[in-house]
Amino acid sequence: GAVVSQHPSRVICKSGTSVKIECRSLDFQATTMFWYRQFPKQSLMLMATSNEGSKATYEQGVEKDKFLINHASLTLSTLTVTSAHPEDSSFYICSARKRPGLYSNQPQHFGDGTRLSIL
Amino acid sequence: RKEVEQDPGPFNVPEGATVAFNCTYSNSASQSFFWYRQDCRKEPKLLMSVYSSGNEDGRFTAQLNRASQYISLLIRDSKLSDSATYLCVVILPHSDTDKLIFGTGTRLQVFP
Repeated sequence: GAVVSQHPSRVICKSGTSVKIECRSLDFQATTMFWYRQFPKQSLMLMATSNEGSKATYEQGVEKDKFLINHASLTLSTLTVTSAHPEDSSFYICSARKRPGLYSNQPQHFGDGTRLSIL
Repeated sequence: RKEVEQDPGPFNVPEGATVAFNCTYSNSASQSFFWYRQDCRKEPKLLMSVYSSGNEDGRFTAQLNRASQYISLLIRDSKLSDSATYLCVVILPHSDTDKLIFGTGTRLQVFP
């Protein structure tokens, strides 16, 4: 089956550091990837939709200059949290859709998630 | 009003029990529905899709009521390994990009 790899799984760093998270589709091409954030006891919230070769689409309230997304190839999207602060500490999860098109029944495949802790 | 609402629980049930979760959604144009399972500090995993006619997968039964805009998940003969958070997920029509909207999840704890 489809596999999405996310790296790193855990990051602990000082306030002000920029952190890059990678999301790779291992056995399929993903023209669209999604980045979510989940705070404790809350639902996954979509942050942005990453499209290969074009700019990401950010959800309302998500700062695009804070959360930089790059989708340079069909198998890799990166999320960079710039100048991270303690309030950015969260569980970040990426997902990828296996095929483009209007097939809404095709579920997204999720990465393992990255737990980010900013001290 | 939240787009997808679930009772957060927790539901504490003994092994072998039958337990049901409900989920309501606010957008009547919602197209597709799923139940995901999320273990603590892990990524969500697809449990099952929810079809209009209702569908069953082993001990799990999902139902959709479009008129009332709710989805249900029934788990029969609960196992200890069923302990997890169950996320109701709705897809909103959005041009050519599926948008998954997650509920906050319902936590299930099965005890011996």
